[in-house]
Amino acid sequence: KAGVTQTPRYLIKTRGQQVTLSCSPISGHRSVSWYQQTPGQGLQFLFEYFSETQRNKGNFPGRFSGRQFSNSRSEMNVSTLELGDSALYLCASSLTGTGTDTQYFGPGTRLTVL
Amino acid sequence: GNSVTQMEGPVTLSEEAFLTINCTYTATGYPSLFWYVQYPGEGLQLLLKATKADDKGSNKGFEATYRKETTSFHLEKGSVQVSDSAVYFCARLDTGGGNKLTFGTGTQLKVEL
Repeated sequence: KAGVTQTPRYLIKTRGQQVTLSCSPISGHRSVSWYQQTPGQGLQFLFEYFSETQRNKGNFPGRFSGRQFSNSRSEMNVSTLELGDSALYLCASSLTGTGTDTQYFGPGTRLTVL
Repeated sequence: GNSVTQMEGPVTLSEEAFLTINCTYTATGYPSLFWYVQYPGEGLQLLLKATKADDKGSNKGFEATYRKETTSFHLEKGSVQVSDSAVYFCARLDTGGGNKLTFGTGTQLKVEL
């Protein structure tokens, strides 16, 4: 079974631009979560989607948004990019995202903001 | 709020040495606990998990036991290899629903010949 895939793997943008990252979960998984990883803040939860609905949100500004499609694929968008948005963005999928479910991570998208 | 505390790294060991990486968590409810590993330039790989008190997770020679009385989930391996060099993250799943993982800061392990 194929793992979680993320595209693109690397991205370079300039301040003020916007960016869209894509995540395809493991087949059959309906929950998709997004995390930001930086050297200073570590791994931080952005949001989680299940059945096209945002079910939980972390403490990030409104410039960070996401959505999920009917096939469970998810995208996250960052508008008006800032230098501090440079990070590795990780997507994780799980079957239902409840109880003792396990999240499986993709390889990440490395975003550099210049 | 929920938090996870890991021992700071880097941890440098010789091949075949015994490994312990300490992890403690805040005791809000009975969260599922995880260890993930990250190799350079890659995402996180699940190493092992435990979902209730006294559960022992194990994989590839690594073990961790869910200790409710000490709110700990320490990672151990009896004999490390150079290929185990990576960053290890301890994490807890929030019990309030919504599938949010809270991670520790990560511990870098370097294994030398």
